[in-house]
Amino acid sequence: RKEVEQDPGPFNVPEGATVAFNCTYSNSASQSFFWYRQDCRKEPKLLMSVYSSGNEDGRFTAQLNRASQYISLLIRDSKLSDSATYLCVVNLGGATNKLIFGTGTLLAVQP
Amino acid sequence: NAGVTQTPKFRVLKTGQSMTLLCAQDMNHEYMYWYRQDPGMGLRLIHYSVGEGTTAKGEVPDGYNVSRLKKQNFLLGLESAAPSQTSVYFCASSYATGDVNQPQHFGDGTRLSIL
Repeated sequence: RKEVEQDPGPFNVPEGATVAFNCTYSNSASQSFFWYRQDCRKEPKLLMSVYSSGNEDGRFTAQLNRASQYISLLIRDSKLSDSATYLCVVNLGGATNKLIFGTGTLLAVQP
Repeated sequence: NAGVTQTPKFRVLKTGQSMTLLCAQDMNHEYMYWYRQDPGMGLRLIHYSVGEGTTAKGEVPDGYNVSRLKKQNFLLGLESAAPSQTSVYFCASSYATGDVNQPQHFGDGTRLSIL
């Protein structure tokens, strides 16, 4: 079983749609959680951290359910520029800040 | 600020050749990491360093060596390149504040092909 699992997609949605991505993680001792965005042939970039209370950044909302070991990302009013791969990332904690990456979910927003 | 800079951006090697990938960061980060990314797989940690002069193995260290002689630089070496090492390599760095919410900052990658 992969430590971080995501639906690879692709998710093809029209502009203006709302789309949700899910992610599960296997290690219950995981300390922190993130969504990174990766454009084609580019480096991953931090989109947002994910907190237990849920957090929002503009059109993006992230949720964490520690009991179910489940993370979600909701994108409202999708833009063409949101087309990218979204990586679910988990930090196991400890002294090294090592991250475990999911394989990513591909989003394609259509005009 | 340049952030995290990787050189070279692209390279083609023949099997058995050696090379070194350079990662440089100007953010005074203590921690540095080397990852590889292959189709259908998430980024996998090759080696990492928690400070100058220290390195440690990650998930997929075989066939690679690293050195961190200066805080700002982290070198990844391939002593005898193999086709299985064809990949995109990313370097990343972060602060060592003990804050698990500390993000990692990535370079823009090195695309390496081994023929």
